[in-house]
Amino acid sequence: EIVLTQSPGTLSLSPGERATLSCRASQSVSSSYLAWYQQKPGQAPRLLIYGASRRATGIPDRFSGSGSGTDFTLTISRLEPEDFAVYYCQQYGNSPGHTFGQGTKLEIK
Amino acid sequence: QVQLVQSGAEVKKPGASVKVSCKASGYTFTGQYMHWVRQAPGQGLEWMGWINPNTGGTKYAQKFQDRVTMTRDTSISTAYMELSRLRSDDTAVYYCAKEEGITYEFGHWGQGTLVTVSS
Repeated sequence: EIVLTQSPGTLSLSPGERATLSCRASQSVSSSYLAWYQQKPGQAPRLLIYGASRRATGIPDRFSGSGSGTDFTLTISRLEPEDFAVYYCQQYGNSPGHTFGQGTKLEIK
Repeated sequence: QVQLVQSGAEVKKPGASVKVSCKASGYTFTGQYMHWVRQAPGQGLEWMGWINPNTGGTKYAQKFQDRVTMTRDTSISTAYMELSRLRSDDTAVYYCAKEEGITYEFGHWGQGTLVTVSS
């Protein structure tokens, strides 16, 4: 079973700063099957990035994804107040199916 | 536009079963797999399984293999997730999520259904 480990657990930054979130897999993941989601309190997750680097419809270009193999990164180039939330990476594999990382909380410093 | 509308909150006793519905609109219901994901209070996301609305075929996460049943009714574009033998640690928000295509991401989510298991 592929385990996704996200770091840091909590990231404290100020609006306007750059955020770099990491997602490391216990074994190689196809880049095609790596996604990132944003979740705000009381809301369902929202798809940000799929295929490791493709922005979902309507997602601002300050969000970008990169990486391959076992190391993937979500970068938010310049934080806006609405970007403070929890972020999850997700991978798809044949077994056991989809798995999520434990999440990174991005909080206002 | 794509919408997934889930049934309302439930309170169940330990040992009971719960059935959550997810009504889809704005796309061809049988065209994309539907997944179920849950989130315990203050915790992360946990994938439970999927159903192919076209064939009714399913795949469940091993953790839920013996307790979950996913079904669908194509006549009303609705998917269902039933979880049996409920325990207190099944208390969570349960989401349905539509798989988008060949890269398998979840592009649309339901609003979530809170299931509380308490004696």
